[in-house]
Amino acid sequence: NAGVTQTPKFRVLKTGQSMTLLCAQDMNHEYMYWYRQDPGMGLRLIHYSVGEGTTAKGEVPDGYNVSRLKKQNFLLGLESAAPSQTSVYFCASSRTDNYGYTFGSGTRLTVV
Amino acid sequence: SQQGEEDPQALSIQEGENATMNCSYKTSINNLQWYRQNSGRGLVHLILIRSNEREKHSGRLRVTLDTSKKSSSLLITASRAADTASYFCATGPSGGYNKLIFGAGTRLAVHP
Repeated sequence: NAGVTQTPKFRVLKTGQSMTLLCAQDMNHEYMYWYRQDPGMGLRLIHYSVGEGTTAKGEVPDGYNVSRLKKQNFLLGLESAAPSQTSVYFCASSRTDNYGYTFGSGTRLTVV
Repeated sequence: SQQGEEDPQALSIQEGENATMNCSYKTSINNLQWYRQNSGRGLVHLILIRSNEREKHSGRLRVTLDTSKKSSSLLITASRAADTASYFCATGPSGGYNKLIFGAGTRLAVHP
């Protein structure tokens, strides 16, 4: 009964370093999403996927890449981290259209 | 770009009182959803109302939707200290893929 699992929960990066955030869901959901949450700005969509092997850009995709090689996993990559990418990152999944999201517990990333 | 804008930004009430939060949006939608976020945690889906529905209930929650005014309200009746959290409205735009657009949220504090 895990739902959506995000790893890691916390990370500190130096400017220019790279990292991958992993999201795994066990509900057989088709759609998966990566959002970032910054103070006072709500959540903004980075990238999303509507099925295995598909990805698409959201509202704020620059500086991020994603892959969905398996239906249950959605990876978010930062190739060269910048301080502006300091944020809390949330992964979510939904069955299809007109369903609520199930969110992971988030990854708090600090870029120094 | 934020689709939903919540009002008020912050709300402080006593246990037992009702809490009302409002959300306005700009474009046509398939559905509108409300989420709760406790401090430092992921978002939890509360309720989804479709564009052809006007009112929906779930336990102590009542949601209304007025598509002519592009607005929604969330009413929490008989509030408890455990309801203290941030509440977000999110709109599912017409066009599919359930790409939710979140507002900045309302911070609710319920005092014992």
